[in-house]
Amino acid sequence: DSGVTQTPKHLITATGQRVTLRCSPRSGDLSVYWYQQSLDQGLQFLIQYYNGEERAKGNILERFSAQQFPDLHSELNLSSLELGDSALYFCASSVRPNRGEQYFGPGTRLTVT
Amino acid sequence: QQQVKQSPQSLIVQKGGISIINCAYENTAFDYFPWYQQFPGKGPALLIAIRPDVSEKKEGRFTISFNKSAKQFSLHIMDSQPGDSATYFCAASKETSGSRLTFGEGTQLTVNP
Repeated sequence: DSGVTQTPKHLITATGQRVTLRCSPRSGDLSVYWYQQSLDQGLQFLIQYYNGEERAKGNILERFSAQQFPDLHSELNLSSLELGDSALYFCASSVRPNRGEQYFGPGTRLTVT
Repeated sequence: QQQVKQSPQSLIVQKGGISIINCAYENTAFDYFPWYQQFPGKGPALLIAIRPDVSEKKEGRFTISFNKSAKQFSLHIMDSQPGDSATYFCAASKETSGSRLTFGEGTQLTVNP
């Protein structure tokens, strides 16, 4: 158990809908990362937050957004969902952004029908 | 642009044998190279990592070999066990730039009893 928690574990929704994925980092970790894992794209970095502030953006669609709250938990919002958004979404955390060790949560499996 | 290339895609090894997975990177600014192990339905788990100031790091049965001039690094699993059967991902990041991980494509390892 990495200490990173994610909810929900599974999510099934229809095209065009909006969902919110939640992540709580390990105790003491200030930096949160979101990754998407799909069969065709592999593991891709989406976005990073550090102590409430957006730090870096990767291959994140404009329909997706995220935030980190004062208690350091983070939420990833996915809107206008398409079939191709079906994937595993992982959250990872690290002590601070300039430390490479990242610990991943169990993921949320999103299925868009 | 795939900045980290991993091979082989799949690997079958007999129990007690040595498993070797290779990765090559393009960006010479990368300064942190971790390996992750992922079991079905789970998040990637940090296995072992190396920084470019050393050429080898060993932790138990797992060893990373790093060749900075060739921009290559590899994971060796000694005395492979059926419980090691999983997907292995190499990754790279720039700790000084926020540490987002760029992953290889993954290697599915099967250790036969």
